[in-house]
This record gives sequence, C-alpha cells and structure tokens, in this order.
Amino acid sequence: DIQMTQSPSSLSASVGDRVTITCRASQDITNWLAWYQQKPGKAPKLLIWAASNLHSGVPSRFSGSGSGTDFTLTINSLQPDDFATYYCQQANSFPRTFGQGTRLEIK
Amino acid sequence: EVQMVESGGGLVQPGGSLRLSCAASGFTFRSYWMNWARQAPGKGLEWLANIKQDGSVEYYVDSVKGRFMISRDNAKNSLYLQMNSLRTEDTAVYYCARDGHQLTIDYWGQGTLVTVSS
Repeated sequence: DIQMTQSPSSLSASVGDRVTITCRASQDITNWLAWYQQKPGKAPKLLIWAASNLHSGVPSRFSGSGSGTDFTLTINSLQPDDFATYYCQQANSFPRTFGQGTRLEIK
Repeated sequence: EVQMVESGGGLVQPGGSLRLSCAASGFTFRSYWMNWARQAPGKGLEWLANIKQDGSVEYYVDSVKGRFMISRDNAKNSLYLQMNSLRTEDTAVYYCARDGHQLTIDYWGQGTLVTVSS
C-alpha cells in the first residue's frame, strides 16, 4: 500500500497568513493526488484534484502543486472559515490512502 | 445539487451484521464509480471500498476484505455496504462518496455512525 505522510500534523496561523501543508507519498503517484478540508462533525470537502486543479466553487486562495512523491497545499490570505483539518489522498492505486491530516488552528 | 444520504447505522454487538444504504440524487448515479469510506472517532479518514458504474468491479481495503461487501442498485440510485463479522474497531462514521475527475472522490454524504459494542 502507498503510505501518505503529511506535515506538519498541526499548525497555528493567523487570519491573513499564507500557509503551506506538505504531503509525501511512499512511491511515485504522478499527479494522482487530492486535497480535502474537513470541519468538526462535517463530511470532507474536495479542494484540489490531480494535484493542482481547483474543484468547482473552491476559492482561488487555495492552490496545489507537486508531482511524483512530493506535494503541497497552499492557502493564501487565510480566512476564518479556513481553520479546519486538511487531508491528502492518493488515487494512483488501490487501496486509496489518506494522509494522517493537518489541523490548522487559529493563533 | 449532488446529494448522498446514508442510513442504516446504529449500535451492533461484536460479531454482528449491519447493512448501510446511501440514496443518491442530483446526478446520473449509473455513470459514476461510488465509494465507502469511514472515520473512527477522533481519527483520520480511511477509504474502504468502491464499485464500478455497472457493479462489475469492486475494490476493498484489506482490513474489510471478506467481511464487507459493496453493492449498488442503479434503478434505485442507491449504494449499499453489507458489513459482517463486525469488530469494535469498526466503530466509525461511514461515508458514501462519489468519484469524479481522475477517480478522485468529489462529493461525500453526511455520514452515518456505526457503533460496535457489547
């Protein structure tokens, strides 16, 4: 199985900050990577697909990059609504696997 | 609007069985791969299984292979998860989810809680 490792596990930031979350795959997944946002008690929401494509309706302050084994999610100008947990997931092979999550908290 | 509503969760004893259902609407259900995923309390997300549009192909994570079975009824726009030989570690919120671009899950249901406890 492909292991997905996110860093950091948690992050404190302020409204207006720029933050970057990284995700590393244990083997080459080309660009078969997605990013999700999840708030407590709610279902995850897709942000980015194919490493860098913004899902419909997602604000442009979110962006994704990377290929192969190393990927990043960047959030520019953090908004209050962005404080949540973020997960990466590989869709290159089965079983699909998620990173352990990055909790983004208000500083 | 894409919508998926799970049902069938509840309290079950270890070794017991449960069947989850997912009613889909707002899209052409028969055209999409569909998934089940779960999240144990306070833990991360775990993908469980998915099924091809016509039901001819299924994939499972090892932890549920042989115990859980995914199925679908395109005439009813419904997805199912039959769960047998349940263990305490199967306690989680179970989500129904649709595959979109590049076989990426693009929409999730709100989830249904399954608690396995004596």
